[in-house]
Amino acid sequence: AQTVTQSQPEMSVQEAETVTLSCTYDTSENNYYLFWYKQPPSRQMILVIRQEAYKQQNATENRFSVNFQKAAKSFSLKISDSQLGDTAMYFCAFMKGGTGNQFYFGTGTSLTVIP
Amino acid sequence: DSGVTQTPKHLITATGQRVTLRCSPRSGDLSVYWYQQSLDQGLQFLIQYYNGEERAKGNILERFSAQQFPDLHSELNLSSLELGDSALYFCASSVQAGALRETQYFGPGTRLLVL
Repeated sequence: AQTVTQSQPEMSVQEAETVTLSCTYDTSENNYYLFWYKQPPSRQMILVIRQEAYKQQNATENRFSVNFQKAAKSFSLKISDSQLGDTAMYFCAFMKGGTGNQFYFGTGTSLTVIP
Repeated sequence: DSGVTQTPKHLITATGQRVTLRCSPRSGDLSVYWYQQSLDQGLQFLIQYYNGEERAKGNILERFSAQQFPDLHSELNLSSLELGDSALYFCASSVQAGALRETQYFGPGTRLLVL
């Protein structure tokens, strides 16, 4: 079975600073995908970034980047130049490769950006 | 806007009643997933349909059922409702046409309150 662990229930960061959210996972699969989703107060689930396990290069989307350590089964999210709009719950998610597979979500990290 | 639509946005009903939640996936997406997000249990995968057929089942109660229609929209039916069924119900869709299309895009959710 796959498990996803987010060990930081709450975090805060000053506006314009950098923050890193942690995520670890457990799987015996070799082909899989990892995602970070953001859930702002509106409760909409918004895709932030994705990483294919077979790619060694870390994914980057503007101010968001990941540090993917496959051997350590770690997938952290770095937010640079934090903005007030980044205040949200952040979920790490795992999905096995192939078709017809569900996401396994972590319990989330509540991030507050302080003005 | 993810392109996934869900109706209704809010639903208030009484215990013992039955409700139907509706989801329209993004244009071109063949797969639909249903999730339940409650305060104490986080995001739980319920069920997945791919091109009209059930593909995967998660923590879905026997009182709950779903289907996907030929036009690919999906309905989640919740019956004999209990107070504990109060939650935010998300629908997500994905293309399911190969490794690069595995990302799930979430709808805005339906907030169900059982009184």
